[in-house]
Amino acid sequence: QKEVEQDPGPLSVPEGAIVSLNCTYSNSAFQYFMWYRQYSRKGPELLMYTYSSGNKEDGRFTAQVDKSSKYISLFIRDSQPSDSATYLCASGTSGSRLTFGEGTQLTVNP
Amino acid sequence: GAVVSQHPSRVICKSGTSVKIECRSLDFQATTMFWYRQFPKQSLMLMATSNEGSKATYEQGVEKDKFLINHASLTLSTLTVTSAHPEDSSFYICSAAPFRGLYQETQYFGPGTRLLVL
Repeated sequence: QKEVEQDPGPLSVPEGAIVSLNCTYSNSAFQYFMWYRQYSRKGPELLMYTYSSGNKEDGRFTAQVDKSSKYISLFIRDSQPSDSATYLCASGTSGSRLTFGEGTQLTVNP
Repeated sequence: GAVVSQHPSRVICKSGTSVKIECRSLDFQATTMFWYRQFPKQSLMLMATSNEGSKATYEQGVEKDKFLINHASLTLSTLTVTSAHPEDSSFYICSAAPFRGLYQETQYFGPGTRLLVL
């Protein structure tokens, strides 16, 4: 079993839709949770970072962590074509080493 | 802030030659740098973790004599692919974790280097 599981998609939505991206993890020691966005042929870009259960909001993006169920989510409101990318969830313990999900490929259609 | 650069962005080489890829943290000091490999439509595969001034820690299945890593300073790490073969063709991405601060546990990624071995 992978330590971080993520549905690879692909996911296709119309512009303006609310997007929900999800991951589950199995390692109870994970303390840090991140979401990265990766455009084609580019390096991943950090979107959200959190270390506690609950919601964290940044503009159109909301990261949600539920440590009791080991569930991580990223919500994108008012999705735009420029949001089309692969989204990677990642988790880790102290010491910086992260475990990544497979990535979900998202396409937002104008 | 938190910018990581990689050079070169793309390289084509002949089989048997060695290729060096540089990774630099431009506006912060990095305690740790990581090297990943990524195949098309797949996730990141961690190859090795390097700390400044010490030997890199390689993941299982990664040949340390083939993928030489040197973390010379808190802002520079290099990956050398020795005696490259066509199966080494891939997208190589480095990342750096800040030396201190609120986001010490996270990683900031470089733009990646696309290697093609003919």
